[in-house]
Amino acid sequence: AQKVTQAQTEISVVEKEDVTLDCVYETRDTTYYLFWYKQPPSGELVFLIRRNSFDEQNEISGRYSWNFQKSTSSFNFTITASQVVDSAVYFCALSEASGGSQGNLIFGKGTKLSVKP
Amino acid sequence: GAVVSQHPSRVICKSGTSVKIECRSLDFQATTMFWYRQFPKQSLMLMATSNEGSKATYEQGVEKDKFLINHASLTLSTLTVTSAHPEDSSFYICSARVGGSSYEQYFGPGTRLTVT
Repeated sequence: AQKVTQAQTEISVVEKEDVTLDCVYETRDTTYYLFWYKQPPSGELVFLIRRNSFDEQNEISGRYSWNFQKSTSSFNFTITASQVVDSAVYFCALSEASGGSQGNLIFGKGTKLSVKP
Repeated sequence: GAVVSQHPSRVICKSGTSVKIECRSLDFQATTMFWYRQFPKQSLMLMATSNEGSKATYEQGVEKDKFLINHASLTLSTLTVTSAHPEDSSFYICSARVGGSSYEQYFGPGTRLTVT
């Protein structure tokens, strides 16, 4: 069965600290996609990254970086030098690519990040 | 990037009435649209998957007669909450998948429904 686990419910940091949000997934598919979304208080989901299961290269985008480790089924997200504007709920999600799947996302429970000035 | 709109963004209705939420893909054709529901401080849960021109597929536990989904065109899907009750109050988010793509999908801004 497919599942996404974000063990950290809430994290609070002080501005300029680095913070890592954990994501562990379960799937039987060999082809799948992993996502991170940011949800600010307004509610709209902001797409951050998509990674397919065959691409284990880590990615860096500005202050954001992602560490994909198939061996541990993890797709962790790090924010470097956090800012108050990073405060939001962050969701990790999985989409399977098997024949029976239409590509819907399975979301983790989310991690609420609070960055204090 | 591709844009998905939802209307209305907020709606307050009385218990027992019906509410229709529209989801539109503005600059692309979406063969598949998904409807998610998010209760306060919880995650997004898939309610149903709709494919243009065919009946929607509902997730277990979602009442298809209560949550009517119509995907009449490649750019529009509607979700109608019939005989709404306070427990239906939630944030409803749609997403649209580009036809034939590698599972790229785009989310609408969401509709906050409050049933009084």
